[in-house]
Formats: sequence, structure tokens, C-alpha cells
Amino acid sequence: DVKVTQSSRYLVKRTGEKVFLECVQDMDHENMFWYRQDPGLGLRLIYFSYDVKMKEKGDIPEGYSVSREKKERFSLILESASTNQTSMYLCASSPSRGLVSYEQYFGPGTRLTVT
Amino acid sequence: AQSVTQLGSHVSVSEGALVLLRCNYSSSVPPYLFWYVQYPNQGLQLLLKYTSAATLVKGINGFEAEFKKSETSFHLTKPSAHMSDAAEYFCAVSDKGYSTLTFGKGTMLLVSP
Repeated sequence: DVKVTQSSRYLVKRTGEKVFLECVQDMDHENMFWYRQDPGLGLRLIYFSYDVKMKEKGDIPEGYSVSREKKERFSLILESASTNQTSMYLCASSPSRGLVSYEQYFGPGTRLTVT
Repeated sequence: AQSVTQLGSHVSVSEGALVLLRCNYSSSVPPYLFWYVQYPNQGLQLLLKYTSAATLVKGINGFEAEFKKSETSFHLTKPSAHMSDAAEYFCAVSDKGYSTLTFGKGTMLLVSP
């Protein structure tokens, strides 16, 4: 059974803290993604990675960075958390087979509150 | 650039009534199209997908969607709503050859007894 796990379901951090959100997939997928979800705005892509040590900016990368040292793990880093980064963060993965696009599999999400 | 428009941030139906959630897309090339469902405090789960085979696609939980190229639409339907269908639904589009998806803003489906 396909599985994407995220390190925390709920997280509360203070402004200025460095925050790490971890995501692990057990499907040997090449692609991994980080989104944030806000009411009325849907899902917005922050960063994605199509291979180990590779990363690409999504639509809203400002204030975030990522790390992918192993194929199964993709980390989202908030260098200095701010209140406008309070949101639901969703991780996803998908296989990559040439030019064919496959569906993404999502983790349960991390609800981050920055105070 | 791709885009997805979901008409109606909230849709209310009675149990047993037809469910119709609308999705229109724009894409420069023939797309792949997806519908996802999100239950409260959970991640997104794939309902169905269109990948240029049959234009009428059947998914899980009795949902189906029809790809209409002339209307650039991919509306989601279910003949008879159930209370358990209450959730948020997202339409997404992907250009062939790309791994990223562009999501709509979501439609919350409310089902009343």
C-alpha cells in the first residue's frame, strides 16, 4: 500500500525559529513535492524535486528551502518562521516514467501555527 | 501556462440528489486531469483521472467525470449523494511530460439529510 508520512500532524513554533518539516515515502518515487494549503487559495506548490539532491522552485518558494539527501525523504525548511507561514503543509510523491504523468500521492499534512 | 477554475467554493445538496462539481481548465497541450477529495484533517486522495483514453472516467465511491475538449471541462458527477461524500474536492491539471500539477481552489460539498 502506497504511503507518504509527515513527521508531525500539528506544530506550533515561534516567530524567527527555524522549522523543519519532514516527509518520507516508501514507494520508490522519483518526484516529491511540498505544497501549502490555505482556505480559498487551494494548493500552491512551494518546491519539488525530481531526483536526489535536485530541487526546483514552485509558485511560492520565498521564505522556504528544501533538502533531498535520500530518495525517500524530502524536507521543507523555514529558515526564520513568520506568522504569514501559518498554514497546512502537504507533501506528495509521484513516479516518473519518461513523458507520462502520474497522479500524486499525498501525506496527511502538517498544520503549522507560527505565533 | 495551465490554470484550473472550479465554479463555486461551496455546493450544497440533499442526500440522494445529484452531485455536480464543475471544473474548467486551460492548457496549451492535451492535458491529464485529476479529481482529488480531502476529508477533514486529512491529505488528498485521488478520486479519478483522465489520461487521454476514454473521455468518461469512472472513479471510486461512485463518482465519474467526463472530459469535454470543446468545452475545456472536466466536471465531476455522482447520481446520488451520500452523507459520507461531504468533503472538499479539488480538480487538477497536468501537461503531458511534466510532473507538476496545477490545482483549482477547491469546492466544499455539503450534504444535508
